[in-house]
Amino acid sequence: AQSVTQPDIHITVSEGASLELRCNYSYGATPYLFWYVQSPGQGLQLLLKYFSGDTLVQGIKGFEAEFKRSQSSFNLRKPSVHWSDAAEYFCAVAPDPYYGGSQGNLIFGKGTKLSVKP
Amino acid sequence: NAGVMQNPRHLVRRRGQEARLRCSPMKGHSHVYWYRQLPEEGLKFMVYLQKENIIDESGMPKERFSAEFPKEGPSILRIQQVVRGDSAAYFCASSPSATTNEKLFFGSGTQLSVL
Repeated sequence: AQSVTQPDIHITVSEGASLELRCNYSYGATPYLFWYVQSPGQGLQLLLKYFSGDTLVQGIKGFEAEFKRSQSSFNLRKPSVHWSDAAEYFCAVAPDPYYGGSQGNLIFGKGTKLSVKP
Repeated sequence: NAGVMQNPRHLVRRRGQEARLRCSPMKGHSHVYWYRQLPEEGLKFMVYLQKENIIDESGMPKERFSAEFPKEGPSILRIQQVVRGDSAAYFCASSPSATTNEKLFFGSGTQLSVL
């Protein structure tokens, strides 16, 4: 069965420091991968997505993620964190409809809560 | 251009009552998805609807839960005879078409609390 693992429940970084949030997935075929951010009381906002092509994906707000098939990982990075980045981050995988997956049936990890120290 | 609108933001129900959660998709979107987020968990897919049709309800509990997306008006997620375990945040998302290349636009969610 498909699954997404975010090993870190809570991470604290200093403002201006670099950030890497880990995401590992279990999926038999080529996955569609997403990173979402959820600020308190808000819905999810898409940061970036990977479907195919270049394995380094650029997103909004200065985030990027790298797809590594050999490691089944899709880690999110940012070179310099801002206080406004404090939020919860979710990695998700979308099953390929060709292999029986359904549109919109994203599988989410449990999330990583990011705190930013001044 | 309003985003996905969900109401109410917070809903409190006593055990045994009914909960009705509403979702108005973005303008021009005819595909709606409902997710549930339990405490300390990620979002879990519940159901995917197009106008007047349920496309995928593989994530819906077999009893007490139902969803609709009528020709006119918002999508409704209905929970009958709520229990404490139904307490969660319920998110709705919409998309303009049925391909995984389209990103989902999420609403701010409805927090359901069952007393």
